[in-house]
Amino acid sequence: EAQVTQNPRYLITVTGKKLTVTCSQNMNHEYMSWYRQDPGLGLRQIYYSMNVEVTDKGDVPEGYKVSRKEKRNFPLILESPSPNQTSLYFCASRPQPGTSGWENIQYFGAGTRLSVL
Amino acid sequence: AQKVTQAQTEISVVEKEDVTLDCVYETRDTTYYLFWYKQPPSGELVFLIRRNSFDEQNEISGRYSWNFQKSTSSFNFTITASQVVDSAVYFCALSELGGLMGAGSYQLTFGKGTKLSVIP
Repeated sequence: EAQVTQNPRYLITVTGKKLTVTCSQNMNHEYMSWYRQDPGLGLRQIYYSMNVEVTDKGDVPEGYKVSRKEKRNFPLILESPSPNQTSLYFCASRPQPGTSGWENIQYFGAGTRLSVL
Repeated sequence: AQKVTQAQTEISVVEKEDVTLDCVYETRDTTYYLFWYKQPPSGELVFLIRRNSFDEQNEISGRYSWNFQKSTSSFNFTITASQVVDSAVYFCALSELGGLMGAGSYQLTFGKGTKLSVIP
């Protein structure tokens, strides 16, 4: 089954304690992305990756890091979480334009609800 | 820069009523895509529809229909005979080519969402 898997689904942590949210996709997609969702603000992009070892900032990258060492994985790293990073996080993937049968549809993971105390 | 506006923050309707969710977008590109996603109370994002800028045909899928009008930069979503299971937050989104092919292409910009409550 084609899917984007995020872990953990729920996480409560304390300020300053480093954490990693994992994201893995089994569709061989080149493009992966992280979003955060906050009430009244919709979804905003944090970082994206066009392919292995290629990452770039989205609209709200401050306080986050990512890495793309393998095509299937795109972890989101919070080196020193703060309460304003309490949010619902989504990982997404899609193929790059030009690939055979390309459809411009992003597939989203189930979300990770993070609380930073 | 691309922008999506969903002016309706929250809507409440009584079951079986029709409801239209508005979406207005801004883009400088001639090639772009529009989307609607549904987020039920469980939190996941469910893809509903994608439309590209060259296809202005309206679409109907069961009780759902979408009205795409380039002249007014709108992509509105209508639910006919609403049901309690339609209660969710609905997001409209825009994806444009955005510069050189392959350089940040087709980034997805979301509206702030409309929360629909269908009352039994």
